[in-house]
Amino acid sequence: GEDVEQSLFLSVREGDSSVINCTYTDSSSTYLYWYKQEPGAGLQLLTYIFSNMDMKQDQRLTVLLNKKDKHLSLRIADTQTGDSAIYFCAEKGFGGGADGLTFGKGTHLIIQP
Amino acid sequence: ETGVTQSPTHLIKTRGQQVTLRCSSQSGHNTVSWYQQALGQGPQFIFQYYREEENGRGNFPPRFSGLQFPNYSSELNVNALELDDSALYLCASSRYGAGNTIYFGEGSWLTVV
Repeated sequence: GEDVEQSLFLSVREGDSSVINCTYTDSSSTYLYWYKQEPGAGLQLLTYIFSNMDMKQDQRLTVLLNKKDKHLSLRIADTQTGDSAIYFCAEKGFGGGADGLTFGKGTHLIIQP
Repeated sequence: ETGVTQSPTHLIKTRGQQVTLRCSSQSGHNTVSWYQQALGQGPQFIFQYYREEENGRGNFPPRFSGLQFPNYSSELNVNALELDDSALYLCASSRYGAGNTIYFGEGSWLTVV
């Protein structure tokens, strides 16, 4: 079946940029997403990108999509302590709308002062 | 705040019992999906409901069942609880066919002892 892979941990200094990477296997992916999860909480939709786009920018967030290599990245500019969380990459296949999202295991973003 | 509400937030059940979890979707959303997130893992798709019918299912046994009501709210029922069912259960709402905005609730933490 479809698979989504992410690094488990990323450590960055406060004020630097964070880049979280993700690879996926489903060539029929229609949308790709980044969700943020803080301890004990649900998932917050940060941003999404449609599969025919290669870049999307939203304030401090930049998403890059390389469809040929099935690689997605999330760049967070000027990383702050409030960005400390688990970030999940997810993809939605083309299943007539009835497919669920396939998630990676999440990347723990650790901010160093 | 996404407008997706789930109840209860926490509950403890005994192995073999049955549990019902509830979800109210965001206004304007007609599709509800349920996910199971075990500790340290990404969410796994259980099933999706649209027009009060299940129209997509992940790799979960039949003892996981659900309902959707005319107001688009939903229930997840799990029979014959097993210890491995201990997890965070997340509900997501969206508009059918609109893959760009899938919002999650805060989840229901289920512990099976």
